[in-house]
Amino acid sequence: SQTIHQWPATLVQPVGSPLSLECTVEGTSNPNLYWYRQAAGRGLQLLFYSVGIGQISSEVPQNLSASRPQDRQFILSSKKLLLSDSGFYLCAWDLVSGTQYFGPGTRLLVL
Amino acid sequence: AQTVTQSQPEMSVQEAETVTLSCTYDTSESDYYLFWYKQPPSRQMILVIRQEAYKQQNATENRFSVNFQKAAKSFSLKISDSQLGDAAMYFCAYRSILTGNQFYFGTGTSLTVIP
Repeated sequence: SQTIHQWPATLVQPVGSPLSLECTVEGTSNPNLYWYRQAAGRGLQLLFYSVGIGQISSEVPQNLSASRPQDRQFILSSKKLLLSDSGFYLCAWDLVSGTQYFGPGTRLLVL
Repeated sequence: AQTVTQSQPEMSVQEAETVTLSCTYDTSESDYYLFWYKQPPSRQMILVIRQEAYKQQNATENRFSVNFQKAAKSFSLKISDSQLGDAAMYFCAYRSILTGNQFYFGTGTSLTVIP
């Protein structure tokens, strides 16, 4: 069966520091991968998605970037965090079957 | 772009009773998927139920069922025999089959279950 992992689970970072969040999927090949952000009590905002290694589409221009160095690995990065980057970050995967499956999420607090 | 609307920010239901959460969407496409996801306090998104637009039969998963009205572009979720563990945020989502990669989520409905 397929599983999706995210780490870290919780992160507290100072403003201006770098960021690296990692997402890996097991049990499937060539998945589509997604990064979402969710502010407290709000809906999901799609940040990036990837249909293959090295292929990244950005939905929202900001100081975040994404990379996909391996088929089942998706990384969300920032060179300098802003206060507004605080939130809950969800990674998700899917195939052509249509259902999207989510990881457990990372809580990021920028102070 | 497609839009998904959940007009009920909050709902409450008595334990063991039935509650219906509303969702409408806007699309010009004929083939698509619709989903309901549950987000409990842990904040992990969990698939509740999925409906393919070409299927006329409403999807059912145990105590969860949908009322899919394609012409009206309506996709409501009915939870029967509500349990305390059903308390969560519920998100309705749309996915195009043609354009594929993007999901469109509603803003969510927060469900409280009263003991």
